[in-house]
Amino acid sequence: EDKVVQSPLSLVVHEGDTVTLNCSYEVTNFRSLLWYKQEKKAPTFLFMLTSSGIEKKSGRLSSILDKKELFSILNITATQTGDSAVYLCAVEPSGTYKYIFGTGTRLKVLA
Amino acid sequence: DTAVSQTPKYLVTQMGNDKSIKCEQNLGHDTMYWYKQDSKKFLKIMFSYNNKELIINETVPNRFSPKSPDKAHLNLHINSLELGDSAVYFCASSQGVSGPYEQYFGPGTRLTVT
Repeated sequence: EDKVVQSPLSLVVHEGDTVTLNCSYEVTNFRSLLWYKQEKKAPTFLFMLTSSGIEKKSGRLSSILDKKELFSILNITATQTGDSAVYLCAVEPSGTYKYIFGTGTRLKVLA
Repeated sequence: DTAVSQTPKYLVTQMGNDKSIKCEQNLGHDTMYWYKQDSKKFLKIMFSYNNKELIINETVPNRFSPKSPDKAHLNLHINSLELGDSAVYFCASSQGVSGPYEQYFGPGTRLTVT
């Protein structure tokens, strides 16, 4: 059965810290992986990683994909209180037309 | 301006009732989805339509029936509501299925069944 596991489940840090969120997966024929940030409402898209795009960066956020070891990490440097959210990882097995979501990592950044 | 919109945002109803949630996207996307998010924030896909055609139908009770009148709209009707149906329901859309493409989510509908 396809599955996506995120760790840690929750994390509390102080402003300025760097955090690393993990997403490991077991799927049949990996196609793509998405990272989302969810605050109070809808998940908002952060990155897409595929075989042809294994590293992405936007400001203080960056992500890499390790297709051999079947995981991805999301790094956030110089964290701010506005980074407090649930971070979701989702993986698409090829040919299924759907994403399987992990349970998320709840990040709280203290001032 | 809203890319993916849902109505209503909140829905409180009693067990046994029938209710509908509506979703519209103005992104020109071909594919739309319904997800259910439980209290632990776990998002699970329920249905997906591509150009008005049902392409994903997960193991969902047949009390749930999606309808896509056109590719910009996807509605969800729920019959005989049960306590376990309480959750946040998200609509999403993507450019298509041949991508891969990221999905854009609506604001969610919080359904509470009492």
